[in-house]
Amino acid sequence: GAGVSQSPRYKVAKRGQDVALRCDPISGHVSLFWYQQALGQGPEFLTYFQNEAQLDKSGLPSDRFFAERPEGSVSTLKIQRTQQEDSAVYLCASSHVETSGSSYNEQFFGPGTRLTVL
Amino acid sequence: KQEVTQIPAALSVPEGENLVLNCSFTDSAIYNLQWFRQDPGKGLTSLLLIQSSQREQTSGRLNASLDKSSGRSTLYIAASQPGDSATYLCAVIDFNKFYFGSGTKLNVKP
Repeated sequence: GAGVSQSPRYKVAKRGQDVALRCDPISGHVSLFWYQQALGQGPEFLTYFQNEAQLDKSGLPSDRFFAERPEGSVSTLKIQRTQQEDSAVYLCASSHVETSGSSYNEQFFGPGTRLTVL
Repeated sequence: KQEVTQIPAALSVPEGENLVLNCSFTDSAIYNLQWFRQDPGKGLTSLLLIQSSQREQTSGRLNASLDKSSGRSTLYIAASQPGDSATYLCAVIDFNKFYFGSGTKLNVKP
């Protein structure tokens, strides 16, 4: 079966432009996560959805960042008025059941979208 | 906030060597710890998951250990091969949040 896919794979934006990054999780996966990975660093948590509900957005760096998953499948991460410090790889991951209590369900990662803000 | 550190940041070894990658974390109250591999331009590939009640996990030439009391995990790679060249990331899992280290970039020379 298909894995997690992300589009576009590469995005170049001029400073101040708005961008939208798309994530298609594995079919049937309930949970969806967004991460930001700066060059030479590990991924950092941005936000988490369970179906269409955004349960945790504590990692979003500013109010210019907005994520949605309106039908509980595809998700879009939108960045408004991009800044140079937004340049990073944005990774999406999904898992097939909701995380609860002490249980853990494996997250499957997409290839990422590399955003470069000039 | 959980802080995860990986040492060394980069490592270059000749083919066939055994090697150890280190991961340390500040808060021992974790659910699980996971090791990933990341190839350039690719997403993360899961290598080994160690649940908090476990001490180690093995898969092929890979062995990962976990010592929660000291806040450390190690990834042991036996008989390294050029195809092992990649960045290795450890992640501490606290409920549904992953806290990643910065990774160790491994180069195995033929």
